[in-house]
Amino acid sequence: AQSVTQLDSQVPVFEEAPVELRCNYSSSVSVYLFWYVQYPNQGLQLLLKYLSGSTLVKGINGFEAEFNKSQTSFHLRKPSVHISDTAEYFCAVSGSASGGSYIPTFGRGTSLIVHP
Amino acid sequence: NAGVTQTPKFQVLKTGQSMTLQCAQDMNHEYMSWYRQDPGMGLRLIHYSVGAGITDQGEVPNGYNVSRSTTEDFPLRLLSAAPSQTSVYFCASSYSRVGYTFGSGTRLTVV
Repeated sequence: AQSVTQLDSQVPVFEEAPVELRCNYSSSVSVYLFWYVQYPNQGLQLLLKYLSGSTLVKGINGFEAEFNKSQTSFHLRKPSVHISDTAEYFCAVSGSASGGSYIPTFGRGTSLIVHP
Repeated sequence: NAGVTQTPKFQVLKTGQSMTLQCAQDMNHEYMSWYRQDPGMGLRLIHYSVGAGITDQGEVPNGYNVSRSTTEDFPLRLLSAAPSQTSVYFCASSYSRVGYTFGSGTRLTVV
């Protein structure tokens, strides 16, 4: 079985400050890892994904994430946030542990609140 | 290119009523899934499909049925609506299993 833990339910930060949203996963097999963003009253949009190769993954809107296999983590970072980054962020994992279907399992989400 | 289209966007049902949430994608994706989103619970998988004619249960399948007669469509049926099914429902699809495209959601209220 696979699972995802997002360690913070809410992260308040001031505009132009750096931010890190934490994600830990558990899986007994190799995994694919994802971060999605959800703006109010919208669906989820893929920010970035780790499939293989370089452990540092760059995504849209200036976000990046680092895959750490030994720590089973996939934390999301941005060096300088904007008001428009205020949204819900979801970490997800998929892999062969889901019976070959590779259907992603999602964390409970982290609400990023950017204050002016 | 419409992506993943969900209808309706909003729906109010009375307890015991049935209805079908529609999901259609025009990207020729094999993989499709239904999630429900509840506050503080993230997204929980209801049912999924790995191709036309093939469906399977997810984490919270009770009270829901699905079928996949074509690649494009993956409707979700509520058999007898209950207040516990008040939620936002998302349909998603993927071609390569690595990265899903989501619809904009259906907000369902059961009274």
